Amino acid sequence: QRRLVESGGGVVQPGRSLRLSCAASGVTFSSFGFHWVRQAPGKGLEWLARISSDGRNKTYADSVKGRFTISRDNSKNTMYLQMDSLRSEDTALYYCAKLTTSFWGRGTPVTVSS
Amino acid sequence: SYALTQPPSVSVSPGQTARITCSGDALPKKWAYWFQQKSGQAPVLVIYEDNKRPSEIPERFSGSSSGTTATLTISGAQVEDEADYYCCSTDSSGYQYVFGDGTKVTVL
Repeated sequence: QRRLVESGGGVVQPGRSLRLSCAASGVTFSSFGFHWVRQAPGKGLEWLARISSDGRNKTYADSVKGRFTISRDNSKNTMYLQMDSLRSEDTALYYCAKLTTSFWGRGTPVTVSS
Repeated sequence: SYALTQPPSVSVSPGQTARITCSGDALPKKWAYWFQQKSGQAPVLVIYEDNKRPSEIPERFSGSSSGTTATLTISGAQVEDEADYYCCSTDSSGYQYVFGDGTKVTVL
């Protein structure tokens, strides 16, 4: 059974960093591009970033460009999101996903608060 | 930056047809995807590539696209179809993805 499991969320102070992980199982991870999507409390879905299957091509939403970095390690079947200079408006549930499918994780919560 | 526009809410009686629109300048050349999200759950894909339905999605869900507007139709809406629905597509470059703001569908 294929699964995506996010981890690494938590409470962090403004200006600090956090790294999220997304572990894949039951799928040929290295064959697919993956995305990070977030959802602030009571708000809609916001696309953040995409990484190609080989990790060479990355694209970002304007709202996180320069602060967030997407990466992957195909030998570990894991994708990452390095989040720097965090702001209160980054508080959200963060999902990893094979976006244009129903293959999503359950999300990991991030709270940015002093 | 590129944006997709959806109505905030749609209400329909059980058994009636609900239509949700999604407008964006790049839609004539880019696929639209539709997600259903129920409270506390991860999104579920209900339509991909404008009008294709995953095998596990009921036939009452259909999609279409014409010009700058994509439409999700729920024919014979059921109470269990109450959810938030999001369209998703890319900008003209095909590299930046975007979600619409979502439409809350109420069936009562």
